[in-house]
Amino acid sequence: GEDVEQSLFLSVREGDSSVINCTYTDSSSTYLYWYKQEPGAGLQLLTYIFSNMDMKQDQRLTVLLNKKDKHLSLRIADTQTGDSAIYFCAESISGSGYSTLTFGKGTMLLVSP
Amino acid sequence: ETGVTQTPRHLVMGMTNKKSLKCEQHLGHNAMYWYKQSAKKPLELMFVYSLEERVENNSVPSRFSPECPNSSHLFLHLHTLQPEDSALYLCASSQASVVNYGYTFGSGTRLTVV
Repeated sequence: GEDVEQSLFLSVREGDSSVINCTYTDSSSTYLYWYKQEPGAGLQLLTYIFSNMDMKQDQRLTVLLNKKDKHLSLRIADTQTGDSAIYFCAESISGSGYSTLTFGKGTMLLVSP
Repeated sequence: ETGVTQTPRHLVMGMTNKKSLKCEQHLGHNAMYWYKQSAKKPLELMFVYSLEERVENNSVPSRFSPECPNSSHLFLHLHTLQPEDSALYLCASSQASVVNYGYTFGSGTRLTVV
């Protein structure tokens, strides 16, 4: 079955880079996603990467994908206190005319001043 | 404004009550989802509706009953819940044929069963 795993907690200082790691199991996943959840809110899509890419950069965010090892990472450059949140990795599983996302447990990122 | 609105934001109900959660989207999406978020557990997919038809039901107890009257609205009817059903219930929508856009989530309903 599908299983997405992430480390549960990461603490960094403001201005440092943060790297959040994720492993997934379904090699047929077409897209992989990073979502952010702030307290009291739903999940916000941060970025996604197509499975035939190995890197995607979007402003302060860099996503690296190692398809052979089924490893995905999210790097946040110049981390700010406003980046403190829970970050979820997710893989897409396609059904018949729809897709579902399987999420990890989330990594809580704490940014200290 | 996320485009997906869930009401109520908070709900406290007794185990013998009947209540409903509502989700509304005006993004033109044609697939809608219910997820359950419990502490220290991955998000659990409960139900999937695609083109207003239920296409997935992940072994959810019958005390949870979904309803999708049209492509913009999704309900989750609750009755005789248990304390372990206390969680954040998240609704999401997507354009089913466009996988790379992912989901748009609502802010969730925080449910407490007493």
